[in-house]
Amino acid sequence: GNSVTQMEGPVTLSEEAFLTINCTYTATGYPSLFWYVQYPGEGLQLLLKATKADDKGSNKGFEATYRKETTSFHLEKGSVQVSDSAVYFCALSDPSGGSYIPTFGRGTSLIVHP
Amino acid sequence: DAGITQSPRHKVTETGTPVTLRCHQTENHRYMYWYRQDPGHGLRLIHYSYGVKDTDKGEVSDGYSVSRSKTEDFLLTLESATSSQTSVYFCAIGMAGGSTDTQYFGPGTRLTVL
Repeated sequence: GNSVTQMEGPVTLSEEAFLTINCTYTATGYPSLFWYVQYPGEGLQLLLKATKADDKGSNKGFEATYRKETTSFHLEKGSVQVSDSAVYFCALSDPSGGSYIPTFGRGTSLIVHP
Repeated sequence: DAGITQSPRHKVTETGTPVTLRCHQTENHRYMYWYRQDPGHGLRLIHYSYGVKDTDKGEVSDGYSVSRSKTEDFLLTLESATSSQTSVYFCAIGMAGGSTDTQYFGPGTRLTVL
């Protein structure tokens, strides 16, 4: 079956620090990969996505590259802000078996201090 | 923002009472999903729907039922609420298919079962 593994948190950083949140996956087919972000008290929202190998998704200064050879989709940002404090979820969608049920990682909490 | 609303947003109920949560979308998306979010467990799929009157179980469906009589509405019912069903419930919608596999989430319903 499909699975997503992401680093456990919380990740605690100072403002302007570099961020990496690791995500690896297993899939039976050729999935699309996603990062979602959840701000306190809200639902998840799409941060970025990539649909094929070597694609780079980017949004709001965050980036992630679809690495098929290492089955990874690590999230990076060069300089985090306090407003980036949230929970980040890595996810995949693999409809090759006819199912449109995405697989989510457990989420990584990011805390950014001024 | 995708047009997804959930009602109620907060509810406190007693053990043994039935509870119905409503998800309403204005996007005409085919797929609708109910998740629960609990500390340490991430997001867990309860039920999903792939069309009017077409529903299926997720990984934590025991004690829950769903109905979808119209494209825009997806109801989640707790037949007899238990304290273990205290959680935050999220509805999501999706079109399914290739790069449109993005899910859009509602704001959540916080349910407390006393």
